[in-house]
Amino acid sequence: KAGVTQTPRYLIKTRGQQVTLSCSPISGHRSVSWYQQTPGQGLQFLFEYFSETQRNKGNFPGRFSGRQFSNSRSEMNVSTLELGDSALYLCASSSSGTVGAKNIQYFGAGTRLSVL
Amino acid sequence: AQKITQTQPGMFVQEKEAVTLDCTYDTSDPSYGLFWYKQPSSGEMIFLIYQGSYDQQNATEGRYSLNFQKARKSANLVISASQLGDSAMYFCAMRAVFNDYKLSFGAGTTVTVRA
Repeated sequence: KAGVTQTPRYLIKTRGQQVTLSCSPISGHRSVSWYQQTPGQGLQFLFEYFSETQRNKGNFPGRFSGRQFSNSRSEMNVSTLELGDSALYLCASSSSGTVGAKNIQYFGAGTRLSVL
Repeated sequence: AQKITQTQPGMFVQEKEAVTLDCTYDTSDPSYGLFWYKQPSSGEMIFLIYQGSYDQQNATEGRYSLNFQKARKSANLVISASQLGDSAMYFCAMRAVFNDYKLSFGAGTTVTVRA
Protein backbone atom coordinates (compact mmCIF):
# COMPACT_ATOMS: atom_id res chain seq x y z
CA LYS A 1 0.00 0.00 0.00
CA ALA A 2 1.41 3.37 -0.96
CA GLY A 3 2.01 5.87 1.81
CA VAL A 4 1.10 9.51 2.01
CA THR A 5 2.46 11.40 -0.98
CA GLN A 6 3.24 15.09 -0.89
CA THR A 7 4.18 17.20 -3.87
CA PRO A 8 6.33 19.02 -4.55
CA ARG A 9 9.09 18.02 -2.15
CA TYR A 10 10.87 21.36 -2.40
CA LEU A 11 9.64 24.81 -3.32
CA ILE A 12 11.21 28.24 -3.47
CA LYS A 13 8.99 31.31 -3.59
CA THR A 14 9.38 35.02 -3.00
CA ARG A 15 7.53 37.22 -0.56
CA GLY A 16 4.04 38.16 -1.65
CA GLN A 17 3.54 35.14 -3.88
CA GLN A 18 1.11 32.37 -3.19
CA VAL A 19 1.74 28.64 -3.11
CA THR A 20 -0.30 25.45 -3.31
CA LEU A 21 0.87 22.19 -1.79
CA SER A 22 -0.66 18.82 -2.56
CA CYS A 23 -1.23 15.72 -0.47
CA SER A 24 -2.49 12.30 -1.53
CA PRO A 25 -3.49 10.20 1.49
CA ILE A 26 -3.11 6.48 1.96
CA SER A 27 -5.73 4.66 -0.08
CA GLY A 28 -8.94 4.39 1.91
CA HIS A 29 -8.04 7.15 4.35
CA ARG A 30 -10.59 9.95 4.46
CA SER A 31 -9.01 12.25 7.03
CA VAL A 32 -6.15 14.55 6.05
CA SER A 33 -4.34 16.90 8.41
CA TRP A 34 -1.69 19.51 7.76
CA TYR A 35 1.15 20.63 10.02
CA GLN A 36 3.83 23.28 9.86
CA GLN A 37 7.28 22.49 11.26
CA THR A 38 9.82 25.23 11.95
CA PRO A 39 12.97 25.24 14.13
CA GLY A 40 11.53 27.99 16.31
CA GLN A 41 7.91 26.90 16.76
CA GLY A 42 8.24 23.16 16.29
CA LEU A 43 5.30 21.21 14.91
CA GLN A 44 2.03 23.09 14.76
CA PHE A 45 -1.35 21.88 13.61
CA LEU A 46 -2.87 23.78 10.69
CA PHE A 47 -6.15 22.05 9.88
CA GLU A 48 -7.87 18.73 9.33
CA TYR A 49 -10.26 17.71 6.59
CA PHE A 50 -12.65 14.81 6.56
CA SER A 51 -15.01 14.00 3.69
CA GLU A 52 -14.30 17.37 2.05
CA THR A 53 -15.18 19.32 5.22
CA GLN A 54 -12.80 21.12 7.52
CA ARG A 55 -13.21 19.35 10.83
CA ASN A 56 -10.60 21.13 12.90
CA LYS A 57 -8.44 24.23 12.66
CA GLY A 58 -5.29 25.51 14.32
CA ASN A 59 -4.29 29.06 15.16
CA PHE A 60 -3.01 30.31 11.85
CA PRO A 61 -3.97 33.44 9.91
CA GLY A 62 -6.50 33.31 7.12
CA ARG A 63 -3.68 33.31 4.55
CA PHE A 64 -3.47 29.61 5.22
CA SER A 65 -6.32 27.65 3.69
CA GLY A 66 -7.01 24.18 2.49
CA ARG A 67 -9.48 21.96 0.80
CA GLN A 68 -10.18 18.32 0.23
CA PHE A 69 -11.51 16.69 -2.89
CA SER A 70 -13.95 13.83 -3.24
CA ASN A 71 -11.07 11.37 -3.70
CA SER A 72 -9.67 12.54 -0.32
CA ARG A 73 -6.70 14.28 -1.89
CA SER A 74 -6.02 17.60 -0.21
CA GLU A 75 -4.39 20.87 -1.10
CA MET A 76 -3.07 23.59 1.13
CA ASN A 77 -2.73 27.16 -0.05
CA VAL A 78 -0.74 30.00 1.44
CA SER A 79 -1.37 33.43 0.01
CA THR A 80 0.81 36.53 0.31
CA LEU A 81 3.83 34.60 1.48
CA GLU A 82 5.98 35.98 4.28
CA LEU A 83 9.56 35.08 5.18
CA GLY A 84 8.25 33.38 8.34
CA ASP A 85 6.26 30.92 6.24
CA SER A 86 9.48 29.12 5.39
CA ALA A 87 8.96 25.69 6.89
CA LEU A 88 8.48 21.99 6.34
CA TYR A 89 4.79 21.36 5.69
CA LEU A 90 3.68 17.90 6.63
CA CYS A 91 0.51 16.16 5.62
CA ALA A 92 -0.93 13.21 7.53
CA SER A 93 -3.80 10.87 6.82
CA SER A 94 -5.83 8.54 9.00
CA SER A 95 -8.55 6.02 8.46
CA SER A 96 -10.54 6.96 11.51
CA GLY A 97 -13.85 8.56 10.78
CA THR A 98 -14.38 9.50 14.39
CA VAL A 99 -12.73 12.25 16.29
CA GLY A 100 -11.10 10.62 19.26
CA ALA A 101 -7.95 10.10 21.23
CA LYS A 102 -6.86 7.06 19.21
CA ASN A 103 -6.62 8.40 15.71
CA ILE A 104 -3.27 7.30 14.35
CA GLN A 105 -1.98 9.63 11.69
CA TYR A 106 0.48 8.55 9.04
CA PHE A 107 2.67 11.27 7.62
CA GLY A 108 4.17 12.06 4.27
CA ALA A 109 7.75 13.22 3.71
CA GLY A 110 6.69 16.84 3.62
CA THR A 111 7.14 19.84 1.35
CA ARG A 112 10.01 22.10 2.25
CA LEU A 113 9.04 25.69 1.41
CA SER A 114 11.61 28.45 1.30
CA VAL A 115 10.39 32.03 1.04
CA LEU A 116 13.00 34.53 -0.17
CA ALA B 1 -4.32 23.83 27.85
CA GLN B 2 -2.32 20.73 27.22
CA LYS B 3 1.43 20.66 27.05
CA ILE B 4 4.01 18.08 26.05
CA THR B 5 7.51 18.35 27.50
CA GLN B 6 10.58 16.58 26.21
CA THR B 7 13.52 17.72 28.32
CA GLN B 8 16.33 15.97 26.44
CA PRO B 9 17.29 17.94 23.34
CA GLY B 10 19.90 15.38 22.29
CA MET B 11 21.21 11.97 23.30
CA PHE B 12 24.01 9.65 22.28
CA VAL B 13 23.64 5.90 22.58
CA GLN B 14 25.95 3.04 21.75
CA GLU B 15 24.79 0.54 19.15
CA LYS B 16 22.95 -2.45 20.68
CA GLU B 17 22.25 -0.60 23.91
CA ALA B 18 18.84 0.55 25.12
CA VAL B 19 17.85 4.21 25.35
CA THR B 20 14.97 5.92 27.18
CA LEU B 21 13.45 9.12 25.85
CA ASP B 22 11.51 11.18 28.37
CA CYS B 23 8.09 12.67 27.80
CA THR B 24 5.81 14.34 30.33
CA TYR B 25 2.43 15.79 29.56
CA ASP B 26 -0.12 17.98 31.17
CA THR B 27 -3.82 17.59 30.60
CA SER B 28 -6.94 17.55 32.75
CA ASP B 29 -8.80 15.43 30.23
CA PRO B 30 -9.39 11.85 31.49
CA SER B 31 -9.41 10.52 27.93
CA TYR B 32 -6.32 11.09 25.84
CA GLY B 33 -3.94 9.33 23.53
CA LEU B 34 -0.16 9.43 23.54
CA PHE B 35 1.98 8.85 20.46
CA TRP B 36 5.63 8.61 19.57
CA TYR B 37 6.93 9.47 16.13
CA LYS B 38 10.38 9.19 14.57
CA GLN B 39 11.63 11.78 12.09
CA PRO B 40 14.80 10.87 10.18
CA SER B 41 16.73 13.54 8.32
CA SER B 42 14.56 12.86 5.26
CA GLY B 43 11.70 14.63 7.03
CA GLU B 44 9.01 11.97 7.07
CA MET B 45 7.32 11.41 10.43
CA ILE B 46 7.09 7.70 11.16
CA PHE B 47 4.52 6.44 13.66
CA LEU B 48 6.09 4.20 16.29
CA ILE B 49 3.71 3.47 19.15
CA TYR B 50 0.41 4.48 20.76
CA GLN B 51 -0.80 4.44 24.38
CA GLY B 52 -4.36 5.23 25.43
CA SER B 53 -5.04 6.78 28.81
CA TYR B 54 -7.32 3.90 29.76
CA ASP B 55 -4.99 1.16 28.57
CA GLN B 56 -4.02 -1.07 31.46
CA GLN B 57 -0.80 -2.33 29.97
CA ASN B 58 2.20 -0.52 28.57
CA ALA B 59 2.27 -0.54 24.78
CA THR B 60 4.98 -2.43 22.92
CA GLU B 61 5.83 -2.56 19.22
CA GLY B 62 8.88 -4.62 18.37
CA ARG B 63 11.94 -2.88 19.83
CA TYR B 64 9.80 0.04 21.05
CA SER B 65 8.02 0.07 24.36
CA LEU B 66 6.24 2.82 26.19
CA ASN B 67 6.72 3.23 29.92
CA PHE B 68 3.37 4.78 30.85
CA GLN B 69 3.07 6.21 34.36
CA LYS B 70 -0.34 7.83 34.45
CA ALA B 71 -0.12 9.32 37.94
CA ARG B 72 3.16 10.99 37.08
CA LYS B 73 1.87 11.97 33.63
CA SER B 74 4.84 10.51 31.87
CA ALA B 75 5.10 8.39 28.73
CA ASN B 76 8.73 7.51 28.16
CA LEU B 77 9.80 5.68 25.02
CA VAL B 78 12.29 2.85 25.39
CA ILE B 79 14.22 1.70 22.34
CA SER B 80 15.95 -1.59 22.94
CA ALA B 81 19.01 -2.89 21.06
CA SER B 82 19.67 0.41 19.28
CA GLN B 83 20.64 0.31 15.63
CA LEU B 84 22.42 2.89 13.50
CA GLY B 85 19.16 3.43 11.64
CA ASP B 86 17.55 4.62 14.87
CA SER B 87 19.46 7.90 14.61
CA ALA B 88 16.70 10.48 14.19
CA MET B 89 14.53 13.03 15.93
CA TYR B 90 11.84 11.55 18.17
CA PHE B 91 8.62 13.34 19.02
CA CYS B 92 6.10 12.67 21.74
CA ALA B 93 2.55 13.78 20.90
CA MET B 94 -0.89 13.80 22.50
CA ARG B 95 -4.55 14.07 21.53
CA ALA B 96 -7.24 14.99 24.04
CA VAL B 97 -10.80 16.23 23.89
CA PHE B 98 -9.98 19.53 25.60
CA ASN B 99 -7.87 20.45 22.59
CA ASP B 100 -10.49 19.22 20.14
CA TYR B 101 -8.31 16.20 19.55
CA LYS B 102 -5.68 18.19 17.73
CA LEU B 103 -2.36 16.39 17.76
CA SER B 104 0.07 18.39 19.92
CA PHE B 105 3.79 17.67 19.76
CA GLY B 106 6.69 18.07 22.13
CA ALA B 107 9.92 19.77 21.04
CA GLY B 108 11.58 16.48 20.18
CA THR B 109 14.75 14.62 21.17
CA THR B 110 17.59 13.96 18.76
CA VAL B 111 19.08 10.49 19.12
CA THR B 112 22.46 9.64 17.66
CA VAL B 113 23.49 5.99 17.67
CA ARG B 114 27.24 5.37 17.70
CA ALA B 115 28.86 2.26 16.22
